[in-house]
Amino acid sequence: DAGITQSPRHKVTETGTPVTLRCHQTENHRYMYWYRQDPGHGLRLIHYSYGVKDTDKGEVSDGYSVSRSKTEDFLLTLESATSSQTSVYFCAIRSGQPNEKLFFGSGTQLSVL
Amino acid sequence: SQQGEEDPQALSIQEGENATMNCSYKTSINNLQWYRQNSGRGLVHLILIRSNEREKHSGRLRVTLDTSKKSSSLLITASRAADTASYFCATDGIQGAQKLVFGQGTRLTINP
Repeated sequence: DAGITQSPRHKVTETGTPVTLRCHQTENHRYMYWYRQDPGHGLRLIHYSYGVKDTDKGEVSDGYSVSRSKTEDFLLTLESATSSQTSVYFCAIRSGQPNEKLFFGSGTQLSVL
Repeated sequence: SQQGEEDPQALSIQEGENATMNCSYKTSINNLQWYRQNSGRGLVHLILIRSNEREKHSGRLRVTLDTSKKSSSLLITASRAADTASYFCATDGIQGAQKLVFGQGTRLTINP
């Protein structure tokens, strides 16, 4: 899948615990994204990065933080997980213009009990 | 929000028929993209159409864009069972492609 790996693939955690999801790419692409997918809402952008240490918020960023200390890794952290954050999380990468299409990872199924 | 909205939410047709899905959006865009998602998998890019284009083809796919109506359609001709998937449109804003926004998707089922 275009050299993009998400880990873990599945995680079950308890409310109030911190959770970190990892996205790793081997394509050296500039842009990296975190989306969540929920029934009835499609994909919603959480955060994205346009370079090392350069990140910005998406439409559903509350309760999430991100970090990108290396080109290849983009971490999504739920500081204190809530049941509303139960979702499937997708990472995506993009090289930049003129190639504007996204390449997606396989997703992480997160359940917060 | 500039979120795209697909119509219909679900579509079921017989193999060999054509499938048409529509997408509407709210604000001006640079381009519109269509993606496919098979069950339990990540999204896969299908086709991109720029705001100055009206129609684009890729194999059995035909995409149209009407910026005056802020709408796009995806036509899949001669459908196959393997086309069963969810289809999403995604738009960016005039500020750039950094924030690609997806619609809720159309669930397409091709019956053999």
